[in-house]
Amino acid sequence: DAKTTQPPSMDCAEGRAANLPCNHSTISGNEYVYWYRQIHSQGPQYIIHGLKNNETNEMASLIITEDRKSSTLILPHATLRDTAVYYCIVLANAGGTSYGKLTFGQGTILTVHP
Amino acid sequence: NAGVTQTPKFQVLKTGQSMTLQCAQDMNHEYMSWYRQDPGMGLRLIHYSVGAGITDQGEVPNGYNVSRSTTEDFPLRLLSAAPSQTSVYFCASSYRYGREGEQYFGPGTRLTVT
Repeated sequence: DAKTTQPPSMDCAEGRAANLPCNHSTISGNEYVYWYRQIHSQGPQYIIHGLKNNETNEMASLIITEDRKSSTLILPHATLRDTAVYYCIVLANAGGTSYGKLTFGQGTILTVHP
Repeated sequence: NAGVTQTPKFQVLKTGQSMTLQCAQDMNHEYMSWYRQDPGMGLRLIHYSVGAGITDQGEVPNGYNVSRSTTEDFPLRLLSAAPSQTSVYFCASSYRYGREGEQYFGPGTRLTVT
């Protein structure tokens, strides 16, 4: 699976958009980009994933560059409860041998302040 | 739905003792897995299962055994606990066939081995 690079930490003001970048320059054609977050002491929570098109759900938006070498997770109106570690993970879906083996790196610590 | 449940929440063991960490899910997910998270680190995959009767090793399987006799349950056994196994253990589950990346995590078991 491709390796990802994320900034170690970011700050965001409450109510503003939080834009979390991720670099995955070695991503393969059959690999998806997944985002998870882990709020202190809790289990990780799935947020969103995509292959090459931009995706949006009730939690966030995912923007993937045309060359697929990087992506940005956008929390449109960050709240204090969004303070967490955010993980960007690259994973091949069905047909690959990854079988859901999520590889968690260090992630980005997002701090939302009042 | 209760989602993914784990018991116990906390456990203290002495070196050499054995125990079983329980994990259950009520979402009829085929895929289940166990991760450990050491302080300040990302999660690492221990074992996983793609269905009842099928298990395989992850990144850090030594010292742990698993079995999958039912779709709902995926217990993790520590055969002879060591201080290096002090960690937080998370169980996760998902559907298969292209959806393994969307995993639901339990609340974790915090294990201390003295």
